[in-house]
Amino acid sequence: QKEVEQNSGPLSVPEGAIASLNCTYSDRGSQSFFWYRQYSGKSPELIMSIYSNGDKEDGRFTAQLNKASQYVSLLIRDSQPSDSATYLCAVKDSSASKIIFGSGTRLSIRP
Amino acid sequence: DGGITQSPKYLFRKEGQNVTLSCEQNLNHDAMYWYRQDPGQGLRLIYYSQIVNDFQKGDIAEGYSVSREKKESFPLTVTSAQKNPTAFYLCASTRDPNEKLFFGSGTQLSVL
Repeated sequence: QKEVEQNSGPLSVPEGAIASLNCTYSDRGSQSFFWYRQYSGKSPELIMSIYSNGDKEDGRFTAQLNKASQYVSLLIRDSQPSDSATYLCAVKDSSASKIIFGSGTRLSIRP
Repeated sequence: DGGITQSPKYLFRKEGQNVTLSCEQNLNHDAMYWYRQDPGQGLRLIYYSQIVNDFQKGDIAEGYSVSREKKESFPLTVTSAQKNPTAFYLCASTRDPNEKLFFGSGTQLSVL
């Protein structure tokens, strides 16, 4: 069974600092990677998608992908209290239309 | 407005009862998914469908069944064989599985 692993947290970061979230995956052939944010009781919403090795920046968010090491990370700069949520890493299966999620990392931004 | 509609928002199941969760989308998406989320956990894939009249088991399909008779609809039945059904159920769709998933607002299922 293909897996996506994340630290469950909680990860506590002071307001204004950088939050760093990590994810590893087992399917070496995967090509599509996603970070979703989920507030308690709500549906996930897409933060970033990344397909190539290296960094992809969008505002305060930077996704990093390293296919050789099979890890994806998400950096959140200038963390705000509104960033407090669970962050879900998702990977598309290389041989099927399945999209596999990790267990999520709870992020808490302290004032 | 285009989107995914899940109903009901809350559902209660009695012992030995089958219940059906509705998922309808008007986004013209081919691929649809059902996920289960337990408290403090990630999303686990139950079933998915790439096209009408075709669907595949996900990682936790036991005790669940689906149908895909129309492109817009992908209902999930939680059968009496699912002994621990209490969870938050999310339906999602996408034009392309390599692109973002669009999620419904979810159904919270509880056991009476």
